[in-house]
Amino acid sequence: GESVGLHLPTLSVQEGDNSIINCAYSNSASDYFIWYKQESGKGPQFIIDIRSNMDKRQGQRVTVLLNKTVKHLSLQIAATQPGDSAVYFCAEDGYNKLIFGAGTRLAVHP
Amino acid sequence: ETGVTQTPRHLVMGMTNKKSLKCEQHLGHNAMYWYKQSAKKPLELMFVYSLEERVENNSVPSRFSPECPNSSHLFLHLHTLQPEDSALYLCASSQDIGNQPQHFGDGTRLSIL
Repeated sequence: GESVGLHLPTLSVQEGDNSIINCAYSNSASDYFIWYKQESGKGPQFIIDIRSNMDKRQGQRVTVLLNKTVKHLSLQIAATQPGDSAVYFCAEDGYNKLIFGAGTRLAVHP
Repeated sequence: ETGVTQTPRHLVMGMTNKKSLKCEQHLGHNAMYWYKQSAKKPLELMFVYSLEERVENNSVPSRFSPECPNSSHLFLHLHTLQPEDSALYLCASSQDIGNQPQHFGDGTRLSIL
């Protein structure tokens, strides 16, 4: 993807496997978190969000886990497909704005 | 597909030119945002508008001038840009500000010669 950094961490998985993308956040007072997917040539696309009063939320093939003790967020993608190849960003709410992480590139191999 | 439309998709300009980026959202949202996305850096918030009032200006140089004439439209006026301003400029909108998802357009790829 030409829209993101050259030195992103990359997660390589086989098609059909489960993927886990991790994110550490900085502010223990943050109460809202969100995951985005960005494909090459496109803007970030909303995947799933979670509020701090929850520790798990499930969507279609995706699950977000929140561990407030260690300020860690993860995105799990079940049965990863080639169309899941993209850069994934986590973001935390920072009072009127979202603060984005650097992103992780997910590469899905047939 | 997207409720946030940005034009143009690509823009090449010289350092002395004046140009404008346009963003339009069809989602009935009250808040709009400009972000800069460049290589080796996370998404950088530039400006936030809520109900056509600017609520955040993230130390952006004055050569970038935003305009929000109504809650559906957002412009970024560009003047005397520098080569380091080459980046993908993304517009987003949300129902209101704070604790909710933002919906992004596909961006304008800006190249400064």
